[in-house]
Amino acid sequence: GQNIDQPTEMTATEGAIVQINCTYQTSGFNGLFWYQQHAGEAPTFLSYNVLDGLEEKGRFSSFLSRSKGYSYLLLKELQMKDSASYLCAVGAGTASKLTFGTGTRLQVTL
Amino acid sequence: EPEVTQTPSHQVTQMGQEVILRCVPISNHLYFYWYRQILGQKVEFLVSFYNNEISEKSEIFDDQFSVERPDGSNFTLKIRSTKLEDSAMYFCASSAQGSYGYTFGSGTRLTVV
Repeated sequence: GQNIDQPTEMTATEGAIVQINCTYQTSGFNGLFWYQQHAGEAPTFLSYNVLDGLEEKGRFSSFLSRSKGYSYLLLKELQMKDSASYLCAVGAGTASKLTFGTGTRLQVTL
Repeated sequence: EPEVTQTPSHQVTQMGQEVILRCVPISNHLYFYWYRQILGQKVEFLVSFYNNEISEKSEIFDDQFSVERPDGSNFTLKIRSTKLEDSAMYFCASSAQGSYGYTFGSGTRLTVV
């Protein structure tokens, strides 16, 4: 089975940088995903890592170490609209289901 | 940008009643999924559907649940006899190539009373 751990809540200041960590144990790994979810809305795709290393996409970057079962999402130049839950998810199996962590609720303050 | 469309956005039903949640996946996608999220909890996989059959299902997806693709565009989730604990947000998703490129619908909030 899969087990995914990420912090429950984080707070950061507008304009700052925040790193959200995720550790996982899984079988049949075929990718690590980060999604953003605002309250009452659907998850929206942020990033995908299947190989070790850093993927950068504008203000968002994601890192993966498969040997350590570890990923992080880095958000730079935080804006108030970045206040949301950030979901770490692992893709596995031929049907490519996603197993989600409980999400990290990020509060961006002035 | 193509969207996954779900209807209704909200559904209130009496315990024991049947509900059908509807989804229109993106037209050229081949993989279809249902997930649910109980309020304040994590998103949970229910079922995946590929090539007109279920390819994987979770322990949650018991005999009370079924999925159908009745025509070329709709993908439905039926709950035969709803229970209070079925109250959740249900998300449909589709993808062209497995995990990568998932698009989620905006969800149906199901409330069982």
